[in-house]
Amino acid sequence: QVQLVQSGADVRKPGASVKVSCKASGYSFTTNPIHWVRQAPGQRLEWMGWINGGNDYTKYSRKFQDRVTISKDTSASTVYMELSGLRSEDTAVYYCARETLNDYNFDYWGQGTLVIVSS
Amino acid sequence: DIQLTQSPSSLSASVGDRITITCRASQSVISYLNWYQERPGKAPKLLIYAASNLQSGVPSRFSGSGSGTHFTLAISPLQPEDFATYYCQQSSSTPYTFGQGTKLEIK
Repeated sequence: QVQLVQSGADVRKPGASVKVSCKASGYSFTTNPIHWVRQAPGQRLEWMGWINGGNDYTKYSRKFQDRVTISKDTSASTVYMELSGLRSEDTAVYYCARETLNDYNFDYWGQGTLVIVSS
Repeated sequence: DIQLTQSPSSLSASVGDRITITCRASQSVISYLNWYQERPGKAPKLLIYAASNLQSGVPSRFSGSGSGTHFTLAISPLQPEDFATYYCQQSSSTPYTFGQGTKLEIK
């Protein structure tokens, strides 16, 4: 079965960076794009960007363009999301999600990774 | 960016009821509108994609309709496990955006 398993919770200081991993299994890793979505406390879900499964093409939300990098290690079936210049408002649960081919929706999600930004 | 506004933001209902949630887009998203269910501490779950298509494994009491800028999610009859928060999401153009959520509570 399809699974996306994310790395564990993390606490970072303001100004630092965080890198969250998302290991995929149960399907052909290079077939589907992977997206990152976050949810700050009490806020709506917020799309951050995506990476193509078959090449290294990425696209980011303008809001995060200067601070986020999404990458992947195909040999490990793992996608990474690194966010730099952390501030308190980046405290959130970060999710990876698989995009369904040709239907532009997210059919499988990781369990979420809580990132707390605090001095 | 396309803004999505859901109504109502919260809703109280009873088991067996029929409820509807509306999602309005600031511009046409054609039929690129999806619905998700989120339970506390869990990842969102895809219910409806492309406005009206039931995701595999999702009970038929869930249904979606609409196109352009006006969409509806209906649930009938409500079951105990349906009390959760529901989000609409547009995939017409990036940045993909979500509604603010509708919290469905037991009356």
